[in-house]
Amino acid sequence: EVQLLESGGGLVQPGGSLRLSCAASGFTFSSYAMSWVRQAPGKGLEWVSAISISGGSTYYADSVRGRFTISRDNSMNTLYLQMNSLRAEDTAVYYCAKNLGAKILYFDYWGQGTLVTVSS
Amino acid sequence: QSVLTQPPSVSAAPGQKVTISCSGSSSNIGNNYVSWYQQLPGTAPKLLIYDNNKRPSGIPDRFSGSKSGTSATLGITGLQTGDEADYYCGTWDSSLSTVVFGGGTKLTVL
Repeated sequence: EVQLLESGGGLVQPGGSLRLSCAASGFTFSSYAMSWVRQAPGKGLEWVSAISISGGSTYYADSVRGRFTISRDNSMNTLYLQMNSLRAEDTAVYYCAKNLGAKILYFDYWGQGTLVTVSS
Repeated sequence: QSVLTQPPSVSAAPGQKVTISCSGSSSNIGNNYVSWYQQLPGTAPKLLIYDNNKRPSGIPDRFSGSKSGTSATLGITGLQTGDEADYYCGTWDSSLSTVVFGGGTKLTVL
């Protein structure tokens, strides 16, 4: 059974940093692209970032480019999202998502999400 | 403001059929594949349709997808109360070089 377990969310002040982790199990982690998708309270889905199978290619939404960094450790089956210079508009539930194969377009499994609140 | 446009809400009676539209442009839907997701209240989204009209394993054939030009449609037949959820379309936008989603459609099964 595919499982994705996010951690690292919490309350942070504007301008602060957080590092999200996503522990994956139930599939061959090193064979799939991975992504982060967020959802602000009461709002729709927003794609945040994706990383290729090897980690050699990364992709970002304009809203987070230059502030967020996605990475992965295939030996630890873990996906990360380093978030710096956080803003109030980054407040959201952050979902870790497994991509369907190497394509970053589709998300066939999602974690339960971790809430990030940016507020003073 | 979402790049892809969906109606905020749709409704239908149990057993009936409903369609949810997703409108875009040539930089997204017009030249890329479309996916659809179901988000039940308080849960993570679930992939329903990919490559415009393919269903992942385990998704019943009551759910179908189609695409024409710069618009896509999700169809749900034999509506059940358990289908009440938010539905999102998604695709790649070649101009933005990002994945984009629609604003979501809330389905009410009356």
